[in-house]
Amino acid sequence: QVQLAQSGSELKEPGASVKVSCKASGYTFTTYGMNWVRQAPGQGLEWMGWINTNTGNPTYAQDFTGRFVFSLDTSVSTAYLQISSLKAEDTAVYYCARGPAYWGQGTLVTVSS
Amino acid sequence: EVVLTQSPGTLSLSPGERATLSCRASQSVSSRYIAWYQQKPGQAPRLLIYAASSRATGIPDRFSGSGSGTDFTLTISRLEPEDFAVYYCQHYGTSSWTFGQGTKVEIK
Repeated sequence: QVQLAQSGSELKEPGASVKVSCKASGYTFTTYGMNWVRQAPGQGLEWMGWINTNTGNPTYAQDFTGRFVFSLDTSVSTAYLQISSLKAEDTAVYYCARGPAYWGQGTLVTVSS
Repeated sequence: EVVLTQSPGTLSLSPGERATLSCRASQSVSSRYIAWYQQKPGQAPRLLIYAASSRATGIPDRFSGSGSGTDFTLTISRLEPEDFAVYYCQHYGTSSWTFGQGTKVEIK
């Protein structure tokens, strides 16, 4: 069965970087793109963009350019989201999603001094 | 970019009642790319409906979706206690996704 297992919660100081992982299993990783979605506390869902797992080409939504980087390690069927120069407003749960039907469990990133 | 507007923001109903949630798109979209999700606190969104009217695997038949063009609807025929949650509509286009802002279905 398709599963997306995300890395655990992170607590970071402002200005630091964080890398969230999303390990896929139960299907051929390079067949489907991987999306990233952000949910700030008490807020709705925001699509951040997606990465083509076949070519490695990322597409970023307008509000997620510059400090956000999607990457892959296809040898371990894993997608990554890296956020640099973290700000308090980056505090959120970050989800990976393979299409509408399959979502990771979410990773809480807290940015606080 | 497609903007999705959900209404109402909050729906206060009793178990056993019918819930009707609306999602309006800023431009006509293919119903093939409209989905509805349920989200409970501390959980990932759960796909209920895809292609506007197809129920996802394991979703009870009290959930139904309809609509076309710019207007889409999620209907819960008889609310069960576990249905009180936040619901999102989504346009999952070929190059981008968009979510509505959500409708909270709360116990009256």
